[in-house]
Amino acid sequence: GQNIDQPTEMTATEGAIVQINCTYQTSGFNGLFWYQQHAGEAPTFLSYNVLDGLEEKGRFSSFLSRSKGYSYLLLKELQMKDSASYLCAAMDSNYQLIWGAGTKLIIKP
Amino acid sequence: GAVVSQHPSWVICKSGTSVKIECRSLDFQATTMFWYRQFPKQSLMLMATSNEGSKATYEQGVEKDKFLINHASLTLSTLTVTSAHPEDSSFYICSAREPGRDHYGYTFGSGTRLTVV
Repeated sequence: GQNIDQPTEMTATEGAIVQINCTYQTSGFNGLFWYQQHAGEAPTFLSYNVLDGLEEKGRFSSFLSRSKGYSYLLLKELQMKDSASYLCAAMDSNYQLIWGAGTKLIIKP
Repeated sequence: GAVVSQHPSWVICKSGTSVKIECRSLDFQATTMFWYRQFPKQSLMLMATSNEGSKATYEQGVEKDKFLINHASLTLSTLTVTSAHPEDSSFYICSAREPGRDHYGYTFGSGTRLTVV
């Protein structure tokens, strides 16, 4: 079957760095997405990886290893506004998104 | 960038009534629209996929007679929750796809919070 695993909740300190891991199993693979979702709002796109390696975009970076079925989202210089849920989603061979349950990130001062 | 306008943002309705949720793509043609439901502290659950001018494809366990989806044009898709019950209370989100754009062009609406009393 298809499955996405990511931690339920993480806590970090303002100004620090946090890494949110995601493992996936899908029927075929057409890329890995990370989205940010604040409570009561729709997800907003953060990153897309389809090739192995690290993609850096400002304070956020995303890494993919296709052979390991593994990705992570790295957030640097954490700010209070980064408190949100972070959703990992893999695109299968039918270009359907398979969603993880999301990781709730709590930032403490 | 691409924008999907979703209305209403929130709605409260009485049990047994119907509620219509609209999603419009404002600056692109949405050939495919996805409808999701999200319960508190859970991830997005795909309900159905619709392509303009054809019938929607529903995911297993989703009642197509209860959740009516219409994708009559390339800029508008609607989800109607018929005979709503309290267990239908949830956050409904649409997502439109425009092939050819970066990262396959998934753009989300702002969501609709439905409360059935």
